[in-house]
Amino acid sequence: GAVVSQHPSWVICKSGTSVKIECRSLDFQATTMFWYRQFPKQSLMLMATSNEGSKATYEQGVEKDKFLINHASLTLSTLTVTSAHPEDSSFYICSARGDRLDEQYFGPGTRLTVT
Amino acid sequence: QKEVEQNSGPLSVPEGAIASLNCTYSDRVSQSFFWYRQYSGKSPELIMSIYSNGDKEDGRFTAQLNKASQYVSLLIRDSQPSDSATYLCAGLYTGTASKLTFGTGTRLQVTL
Repeated sequence: GAVVSQHPSWVICKSGTSVKIECRSLDFQATTMFWYRQFPKQSLMLMATSNEGSKATYEQGVEKDKFLINHASLTLSTLTVTSAHPEDSSFYICSARGDRLDEQYFGPGTRLTVT
Repeated sequence: QKEVEQNSGPLSVPEGAIASLNCTYSDRVSQSFFWYRQYSGKSPELIMSIYSNGDKEDGRFTAQLNKASQYVSLLIRDSQPSDSATYLCAGLYTGTASKLTFGTGTRLQVTL
């Protein structure tokens, strides 16, 4: 299967700072990337969908000014958590999809802890 | 009604038994379904996909799709302790954006 990487795998930051998470498709071109958040013992929650070269589409209730998503190339999308607060501490997972709508590959996730 | 629903479990089965995981879906989900396995602290891993009515087998795993009853199931034969994980059912949402919609997951425990 296709490989999706995320960096960093974990990060600790202080409240009020910003954190950038990278998601890369290593061996295919990802026309669409998805960002999810998962709190302990809960299911995946889709935050936003991004298509290369266009603005991300955010799910209801997700603040677009707080969670900045950039999908500048077919292999890279970034999620920036701005002015992070302890309640933003979570497991952030990206996934990438090529031309086939039924093939979606997940990255290994980034664990964010805001102190 | 949620678009994809699963029993949260935990479902406990003894080693070597068959584990049966079920999922129901609403009309807003298309006929493409996926089962993901997620170990604690890890991201989901695709196990099976199924698009047609009936059964699809891959090793110890069998996915079943019943369109008339709008349910999808995953059978795990000869369950092993390493199968202990949360299993997520997902369907491809048929709205304006093609995206996966996930159930809340069923936690499976395989006991020795």
